[in-house]
Amino acid sequence: AQSVTQPDIHITVSEGASLELRCNYSYGATPYLFWYVQSPGQGLQLLLKYFSGDTLVQGIKGFEAEFKRSQSSFNLRKPSVHWSDAAEYFCAVGNQAGTALIFGKGTTLSVSS
Amino acid sequence: DAGVIQSPRHEVTEMGQEVTLRCKPISGHDYLFWYRQTMMRGLELLIYFNNNVPIDDSGMPEDRFSAKMPNASFSTLKIQPSEPRDSAVYFCASRPDRGTQETQYFGPGTRLLVL
Repeated sequence: AQSVTQPDIHITVSEGASLELRCNYSYGATPYLFWYVQSPGQGLQLLLKYFSGDTLVQGIKGFEAEFKRSQSSFNLRKPSVHWSDAAEYFCAVGNQAGTALIFGKGTTLSVSS
Repeated sequence: DAGVIQSPRHEVTEMGQEVTLRCKPISGHDYLFWYRQTMMRGLELLIYFNNNVPIDDSGMPEDRFSAKMPNASFSTLKIQPSEPRDSAVYFCASRPDRGTQETQYFGPGTRLLVL
């Protein structure tokens, strides 16, 4: 069955510290992978996506993610977190038709000063 | 571009009432998606349209839910009759049809509370 697992429900990071949010997927074909961010009361905004090629993907707001096929993972990273990064982060896997997106349950990021 | 527009942003209704959620996709986008977000189940795809035609409605929870897209710039999701367990945030998303690597753009969502 196709699924996305985000093992961490809630993470707290100090401002300026590095961040890694975990994402594991189960998908029968070549996965298309996405990270979205949702600020309170807002819709989802795409941070980055992976379709093929270089397994290290750069996104907006200083985020990057690395696709590791052997580990079925697509972890999101940021070297230095800002208070404005506090939000909920969703990992998703999509089909090759670009239609169905399967989302993880999300990880809430809190940033402490 | 104004992005995906959803209305209302908040809706409070009583059990048994009809609820209609509205979505205006980004101009030129050929795909439109309806999602539901709950604490228990996370984000789930309910239905999606391509060129105003419903393609996959397997995520629609039951017959009380229906969705239409009468034209390229408007879609509705209707719940009749509504039940408390329908309380959730409903998102609309759209994307262009320029290949498989396009991004879905999400609206701000409608927060529905059924009492």
